[in-house]
Amino acid sequence: IVLTQSPATLSLSPGERATLSCRASQNINKYLAWYQHKPGQPPRLLISGASTRATGVPARFSGSGSGTEFTLTISNLQSEDFAVYYCQQYNNWPPPFTFGQGTKLEIK
Amino acid sequence: QVQLVQSGAEVKKPGSSVKVSCKASGGTFSSYAISWVRQAPGQGLEWMGRIIPILGIANYAQKFQGRVTITADKSTSTAYMELSSLRSEDTAVYYCARENRGFDYWGQGTLVTVSS
Repeated sequence: IVLTQSPATLSLSPGERATLSCRASQNINKYLAWYQHKPGQPPRLLISGASTRATGVPARFSGSGSGTEFTLTISNLQSEDFAVYYCQQYNNWPPPFTFGQGTKLEIK
Repeated sequence: QVQLVQSGAEVKKPGSSVKVSCKASGGTFSSYAISWVRQAPGQGLEWMGRIIPILGIANYAQKFQGRVTITADKSTSTAYMELSSLRSEDTAVYYCARENRGFDYWGQGTLVTVSS
């Protein structure tokens, strides 16, 4: 299963809304997770099951979709939200648990 | 609080092997699978393989089949990833992560540098 994220780079200002997309090459139901990754840190799980926020994740992060089309929306961007975001599918059994190539969210 | 603590940075020669450890605390080690993910410089995240400690069963990404071995020691709550026949392209930060509807806890990462 191949995950394709778009756009590769997204340039926005604090306070704006970010919409990140992830498309799967075949149906993965809702077995999709989103991660935030900052330099020098391990990735952080934001969303699992396509739409369930992980513990401690602010409500401005929301996920939607099922099947092959998924979206991560970050409303009211804060300075700490600028990072690289990855989607990951965990539908296969047995694995691999593939990642998308990432979307870099940068300050405009 | 679950913690995954990895071993320290390594510098290896091409053709050699590296073994990275990942010690878990604060949770039930055997109940969850542990995956290994790497990130090469300027690249994205790449899943390498995983192990279910309670079963001792490992699965590997096709790309790494034959070069990677993932094991787990339930008595010390530690998972290991060994990568052999190292080449410069294996220079990366290697992470372990706990599987729980995605990867909910991650180790701090281990930098492996392959250089002659």
